[in-house]
Amino acid sequence: SYVLTQPPSVSVAPGQTARITCGANNIAGKSVHWYQQQPGQAPVLVVHDDSDRPSGIPERFSGSNSGNTATLTISRVEAGDEADYYCQVWDGSSEEVVFGGGTKLTVL
Amino acid sequence: QITLKESGPTLVKPTQTLTLTCSFSEFSLSTRGVGVGWIRQTPGKALEWLALIYWDDDKLYSPSLKSRLTITKDTSKNQVVLTMTNMDPVDTATYYCARRRPRTDVSFDYWGQGTLVTVSS
Repeated sequence: SYVLTQPPSVSVAPGQTARITCGANNIAGKSVHWYQQQPGQAPVLVVHDDSDRPSGIPERFSGSNSGNTATLTISRVEAGDEADYYCQVWDGSSEEVVFGGGTKLTVL
Repeated sequence: QITLKESGPTLVKPTQTLTLTCSFSEFSLSTRGVGVGWIRQTPGKALEWLALIYWDDDKLYSPSLKSRLTITKDTSKNQVVLTMTNMDPVDTATYYCARRRPRTDVSFDYWGQGTLVTVSS
């Protein structure tokens, strides 16, 4: 089955830019979606279809997808962005939803 | 405002069958393109997709759990039910239902709060 690889953790200082990667074979051929999960809460969709933001998600959240890596970029990081982030794709060949292992973003 | 809420037992014994209900509002599973999925999260671990049902009753299951899962819908009640057979302690997790974002690639735009299910004798 299709495997999405995320770094377990990313740290960034407030005001800086955080980049969280999601790697897989030819991931550029798929649409990548990103979720933010605060402790004890349900996931929230922050980017869908590689780079689109749902209504209500700040412009600081953006996404890109190229080659074997998709990236969630959070600009001007705030303390409230500290959370777990998951990437997700639909694998049409196996007809299954696949999630990455998650990345814990720590705001220093 | 779209909402989803999971309900079911908080504790099940090993080998028992788990039945969870997702009750939702402000959208209909009779509308073309709409789907509802189930996702679980074991304590301290990643998200795992379980199943997805569409407005036309098309059903999709995680290949690794397919033999244990059944997903159904009751459009008149705005509910989706997931059953998982032969429960094991490793199935202890928070179970979420979520709406599949319509008319686009598969993602989930609204989630329930989740329900913690513990498997223990």
